[in-house]
Amino acid sequence: KNEVEQSPQNLTAQEGEFITINCSYSVGISALHWLQQHPGGGIVSLFMLSSGKKKHGRLIATINIQEKHSSLHITASHPRDSAVYICAVFPDKLIFGTGTRLQVFP
Amino acid sequence: DAGVIQSPRHEVTEMGQEVTLRCKPISGHDYLFWYRQTMMRGLELLIYFNNNVPIDDSGMPEDRFSAKMPNASFSTLKIQPSEPRDSAVYFCASSPQGPANYGYTFGSGTRLTVV
Repeated sequence: KNEVEQSPQNLTAQEGEFITINCSYSVGISALHWLQQHPGGGIVSLFMLSSGKKKHGRLIATINIQEKHSSLHITASHPRDSAVYICAVFPDKLIFGTGTRLQVFP
Repeated sequence: DAGVIQSPRHEVTEMGQEVTLRCKPISGHDYLFWYRQTMMRGLELLIYFNNNVPIDDSGMPEDRFSAKMPNASFSTLKIQPSEPRDSAVYFCASSPQGPANYGYTFGSGTRLTVV
C-alpha cells in the first residue's frame, strides 16, 4: 500500500465548478505539500501545511493531522487550472502521491 | 532571481555513456534536492544536500548514480554508465530552510532519454 494516496486519479470539470482533490497518508508527518505540474512539465509548489488551512487566490488547502488527510480545493475553476496536482508528505523526507490529473473545460 | 536553473533541458544518449546533469539553485537557498520522475514510479527523491553536504542519498538507485555539490551555486548528478531504464525527467529543487519548514522551487527539469 502506498504511504500517500490521492483521489481521484483523474478529474474533469466544467469551467466555474468547485474542485476538491484529496490526499490521505499513513505515516506521521511534520509537513505536507501540494504541488502543481503543468502540461509542459514544470512543477510549482502551491502550499506547505503543517496544520489548519491556507488560502491563495482561488486555491484553498486544508489538513487534518489526526485523520491524516488533506484536501485541495479550487473555487471557480478555469481551464488554466488544468494540470496534475501532487500531494507530498514529509516524515523525514518527501514522499509523493501519484497525482490527480485535472482537466477543466470551457 | 532567475529561479532554479537546470541544464541541459533534453539529453539523448546511448546506453553505456556517461551523463551529467547540472543545477544552479536559487542564491541563498541552503537545501538542494534531486528528484526523478517516471510514468511508473512518479516523483522520487534521489538525494538532497544541506549547505553543500549530502544529507540523505538513500534514494539514489545504485552506484551508477552520483551527485556532488562543490559549492553553494552548483550541483551535478552523474550517471555512469547510463542504461535505458534511467530514462526519466530529472528535477532539481532548492529551498531556503528545508521542505519541512518552507516551500521550495523546482527547476524546469532535464528530460533524459537513453537509447
